[in-house]
Amino acid sequence: DAGVIQSPRHEVTEMGQEVTLRCKPISGHDYLFWYRQTMMRGLELLIYFNNNVPIDDSGMPEDRFSAKMPNASFSTLKIQPSEPRDSAVYFCASRPSRGYNEQFFGPGTRLTVL
Amino acid sequence: SQQGEEDPQALSIQEGENATMNCSYKTSINNLQWYRQNSGRGLVHLILIRSNEREKHSGRLRVTLDTSKKSSSLLITASRAADTASYFCATDYNQGGKLIFGQGTELSVKP
Repeated sequence: DAGVIQSPRHEVTEMGQEVTLRCKPISGHDYLFWYRQTMMRGLELLIYFNNNVPIDDSGMPEDRFSAKMPNASFSTLKIQPSEPRDSAVYFCASRPSRGYNEQFFGPGTRLTVL
Repeated sequence: SQQGEEDPQALSIQEGENATMNCSYKTSINNLQWYRQNSGRGLVHLILIRSNEREKHSGRLRVTLDTSKKSSSLLITASRAADTASYFCATDYNQGGKLIFGQGTELSVKP
């Protein structure tokens, strides 16, 4: 299996631009998680889905952030408009319904907003 | 916040020595997990210990769990330079599938 796939791996954009991050979970995994990692705040859960339905979006910082999961094999995290404080590494993770909640992480997208 | 607290924040040891990292949490859990993150990479699951277990081994890793003290420790024996990474504990509070990650311990193993 290819593991969790994220794209792009690096993104540099200017303040005010729209940014879209993409994630393909491991096939057969029913849960998908979006995290943000910064030096100051550590690893934060932004939102997670179960069977393509958003379950908890309490970690989404503000209305500028939105996430969708149109099908079981694809999810997007969009920031519009982007701000310099959004600069971070964004991780996607997935896991199956069965088991003990072990999560499988993608390689991350490093976002820099100038 | 339910976030776990880890200590130390940073640990530097020589190759061959043992490394111990600790994690404390706040409320009852289903299980506790440890993850490793190499620089510039995603997190990788290392080991999971359930709430009814006290100790678990996997290769050079040993994890203990003390639910009365709400704490766990990760021991890496005979460390290697390749063990250099950040290590995170993550707690499953049975909140609908999500984990709460600690701030991590940055381990440096010098050859």
